This record gives sequence, C-alpha cells and structure tokens, in this order.
Amino acid sequence: NAGVTQTPKFRVLKTGQSMTLLCAQDMNHEYMYWYRQDPGMGLRLIHYSVGEGTTAKGEVPDGYNVSRLKKQNFLLGLESAAPSQTSVYFCASSRQGETEAFFGQGTRLTVV
Amino acid sequence: KNQVEQSPQSLIILEGKNCTLQCNYTVSPFSNLRWYKQDTGRGPVSLTIMTFSENTKSNGRYTATLDADTKQSSLHITASQLSDSASYICVVRVYSGGGADGLTFGKGTHLIIQP
Repeated sequence: NAGVTQTPKFRVLKTGQSMTLLCAQDMNHEYMYWYRQDPGMGLRLIHYSVGEGTTAKGEVPDGYNVSRLKKQNFLLGLESAAPSQTSVYFCASSRQGETEAFFGQGTRLTVV
Repeated sequence: KNQVEQSPQSLIILEGKNCTLQCNYTVSPFSNLRWYKQDTGRGPVSLTIMTFSENTKSNGRYTATLDADTKQSSLHITASQLSDSASYICVVRVYSGGGADGLTFGKGTHLIIQP
C-alpha cells in the first residue's frame, strides 16, 4: 500500500519557469490537500479538494493553481515561479469528515 | 484568529530521559486535537487524537493529555529513544461541519535525543 506519493522529490527552477507537482493516493480518499512548510512556520494550506472536479483556496493560494481531474490525483501548478515559492511542499489526503491526514514524503523546491 | 502555539521550539535530551511538549490553542469551536510526528525529510504521521471528552490517551511511550477548559494539550514521551528525534506538531480541528480546511497547525517542537 503506497499511501500518498509525490513526484518529483526535488526540483530546482529558475525564476519565471513553470512546473507541476503530482500527488497520487491509493486510499480512495475524498479530500486532498497541498501544504507548504517553511522554516520556523507551521504547515500552511495552499489549496484543497473535497472531491473529483472540485478545488478551493486555502490560506496561501496566490501564485498556485490546482486541478483534480481524477479522484486519486491532485496536481499543484506554479505558472511563473518566484524565489518566495522556495519551500517544501506536502500533499495529504483524508476521508470525508475525518481529520487524520496522510501525508506524502514532500517535494523540496528551490527557485533561483 | 485560530492559533496553535507550541513550546518549546526545540529541545535536546539524553536518551532514556522523559520529556513533555506543550500545545496551547485558541481554536474555537473545538473539535479535536492531533499530535503528529515528523521525521527529517518525511511527511508528518499521526500519533494520537484527543477529543473534547478525553483527558489522557497513551500510544506506547507517548501519552497525550487535553484540558479543554484551559485549551492546553501536552505530549509526554517516556524513556526516550534515538528514534524519537523528530519534530512534533500539534494540529487542532475547528468544528466546521466536516470542512476540509478546518485544521490549524502549530509550528512544531524540534526534539533531539542524544546518546
């Protein structure tokens, strides 16, 4: 049982480049989330989804877009990367109404 | 604004010793509180959940407490092991009818166990 899988694990981007982070879960969870984690700060919610085809903004959505075309996948896109987006990104999923979130390994993104 | 404050920010103890991590929250209305363990380079993993009616819950060498009146929780680690070195994150859920964005994360306590 793989749980939540994120790809890639590491990435370096130049300012202005675009990229997509992929999150896949095999637990048939309804809810999926994207967080960023920065030194000295707690996990902050970027966007989330409560089901296939639906997405919503979290606490820090600016500069990011998401899509959930399939229940098991949640994509996070950066259209024009900025150095402020250097961070570790975590994807998570949970059952509807359940508070335990299962996290992926994280993607360490550096924007230079 | 809903907030979760954890203390200390970091802690170093010798292997075999006990320690207690603190979590204070202002989340309202309160639904539940979880403690997560995050190993370096990994995603957080849930250790235990505390609901409004629970005061104490143990999971092996980990014991969590909750005082809903004072809005405080603690995580006590007994007979620490090197594998306990990690960040411990307190996460509080606001009661929002099942909304997916109802979680407030603390910044975590970074625990280092020295041999």
